[in-house]
Amino acid sequence: AQTVTQSQPEMSVQEAETVTLSCTYDTSENNYYLFWYKQPPSRQMILVIRQEAYKQQNATENRFSVNFQKAAKSFSLKISDSQLGDTAMYFCAFMKPNSGGGADGLTFGKGTHLIIQP
Amino acid sequence: DVKVTQSSRYLVKRTGEKVFLECVQDMDHENMFWYRQDPGLGLRLIYFSYDVKMKEKGDIPEGYSVSREKKERFSLILESASTNQTSMYLCASSLLPPNTGELFFGEGSRLTVL
Repeated sequence: AQTVTQSQPEMSVQEAETVTLSCTYDTSENNYYLFWYKQPPSRQMILVIRQEAYKQQNATENRFSVNFQKAAKSFSLKISDSQLGDTAMYFCAFMKPNSGGGADGLTFGKGTHLIIQP
Repeated sequence: DVKVTQSSRYLVKRTGEKVFLECVQDMDHENMFWYRQDPGLGLRLIYFSYDVKMKEKGDIPEGYSVSREKKERFSLILESASTNQTSMYLCASSLLPPNTGELFFGEGSRLTVL
């Protein structure tokens, strides 16, 4: 079974600073996907960024980028020029496609509560 | 835009009651999921389905059942609610890989069992 570990239950930074959220995972698979999801207060969870394990290039979405280290099984999220609207719970997630072409769901970490201070 | 709608945002039930949580998605997604979210535990998968009338147990299926009679609808059933099932329940849907595999979530149903 896969496990996902987020070692930072809560982080707080000042607006405009850069912050990095850590995530490690454990798997014996070679083909999988990794995700960062954001859950703002009282709002639904949305995808921030996605990485395929076979791609060596780190994914980037505007101010959000990842540092994917496959050998180390590490998948950290960097938020540049942080904004008040970035305040949310952030979840790292792992997905392995099953042999039938479906997916047995995502395995989530326990989350990091990120607070952006004005 | 994909829309995943959960029928109730807040429910209060009594121990022993039967509880139905409904979820509907409007994007013809094959996969649908029910997760439970608890503080400090993250999201845990209860059940999932990748086709009509198909269901698979997730990590914590005990005390729950599901129904998928139509592709767009996935229901979570608590046959006899207990206080330890007080939680936030999240429904999600997705296409099969090798599409993005991205999950689209509903707003959640916060269930309190007294």
